[in-house]
Amino acid sequence: GEEVAQTPKHLVRGEGQKAKLYCAPIKGHSYVFWYQQVLKNEFKFLISFQNENVFDETGMPKERFSAKCLPNSPCSLEIQATKLEDSAVYFCASSQSLVYGYTFGSGTRLTVV
Amino acid sequence: ELKVEQNPLFLSMQEGKNYTIYCNYSTTSDRLYWYRQDPGKSLESLFVLLSNGAVKQEGRLMASLDTKARLSTLHITAAVHDLSATYFCAVDPNNAGNMLTFGGGTRLMVKP
Repeated sequence: GEEVAQTPKHLVRGEGQKAKLYCAPIKGHSYVFWYQQVLKNEFKFLISFQNENVFDETGMPKERFSAKCLPNSPCSLEIQATKLEDSAVYFCASSQSLVYGYTFGSGTRLTVV
Repeated sequence: ELKVEQNPLFLSMQEGKNYTIYCNYSTTSDRLYWYRQDPGKSLESLFVLLSNGAVKQEGRLMASLDTKARLSTLHITAAVHDLSATYFCAVDPNNAGNMLTFGGGTRLMVKP
């Protein structure tokens, strides 16, 4: 498809519960990125993939966050033992070639209560 | 660590007026992107600027990049209400495509 599909749109978790978010990149796009948007405007880079390989993971809080992009499956971002401060909108983006920029999905709003 | 600063953070303007949003960044980069975000929505790609002196225009918006000054501008000509949104610039800090660092956004309100 021609859009980056993120599911679910909304996710509510109690503190300490696991959250798993999914992202299907545009077909043919080999780069996938995850960003966290907090406080309405601030974007934080989490991790990027080139195909199924981690490209850059410098933004990942490694103790609770993990991500995968496996062949023939949506990419996923998993948060173990969620905390209140994990509440944010998580955006996935994909790119065919970096000269064309990035296409963002519509985001998953995670609320931790 | 790369810092990307936008100003102003908030801009209220009348329809028909012109204004410029500024994006300054703190490290060498040749790749800068502008996005628009409507409330509760995703990011819409506006411009991809990939070299010093790059200038792109789409409708009432024009973006430019000066890599020596580490500055990009987004110029709005004869603003209309439909341009009301939050605008973000984002910089590729390594010119490697592995990540983007975003500015804090400029919230634009265009009043009739």
